[in-house]
Amino acid sequence: AQKVTQAQTEISVVEKEDVTLDCVYETRDTTYYLFWYKQPPSGELVFLIRRNSFDEQNEISGRYSWNFQKSTSSFNFTITASQVVDSAVYFCALSDSSTGGFKTIFGAGTRLFVKA
Amino acid sequence: GAGVSQSPSNKVTEKGKDVELRCDPISGHTALYWYRQSLGQGLEFLIYFQGNSAPDKSGLPSDRFSAERTGGSVSTLTIQRTQQEDSAVYLCASSWGQGWADTQYFGPGTRLTVL
Repeated sequence: AQKVTQAQTEISVVEKEDVTLDCVYETRDTTYYLFWYKQPPSGELVFLIRRNSFDEQNEISGRYSWNFQKSTSSFNFTITASQVVDSAVYFCALSDSSTGGFKTIFGAGTRLFVKA
Repeated sequence: GAGVSQSPSNKVTEKGKDVELRCDPISGHTALYWYRQSLGQGLEFLIYFQGNSAPDKSGLPSDRFSAERTGGSVSTLTIQRTQQEDSAVYLCASSWGQGWADTQYFGPGTRLTVL
């Protein structure tokens, strides 16, 4: 069965600290996609990244970086030099061919508080 | 519009009443999804559409919930005889419909409160 686990329910950091959000997934498929979404207080989920299972290269986008490790089934997300505007709930998600074609499985989310 | 839109943004209703929630997907997106997010919780998949058909209705919580999509565009989620446990934010998303690798783009949600 497919599963996404975000073990950290809430994280609180002080501005300019680095913070890593953990995501562990389970799937029997060898081909799958992983996603991260951000949900700010306004409520609208914002797409951050999509990564396919064949591409284990780490990705960096500004202050954001993602570490994909198939060996540990993890797709962790790091924010460098956090800012108050990073405060949000972050969701990791998985989609594979066994989910019926269009169902994406979301983790429970990690709420990040960045204090000034 | 440029993104997924949902209406109303907020809906307060009395227990037992029916409600309709509307989703207008991104133009050209053939796949449309409904999710429910209860307070402080993750996303619960409800239903998805490919075009006007809904191949997967497995997530609908009960027969009080139904959804339709017409013209391959706007979708309506209907909840009949609302109960207090239906209170949640209902999120709609759309995608190009190219398959399970699609990226979904979300609307702002409808916050439903059942008194």
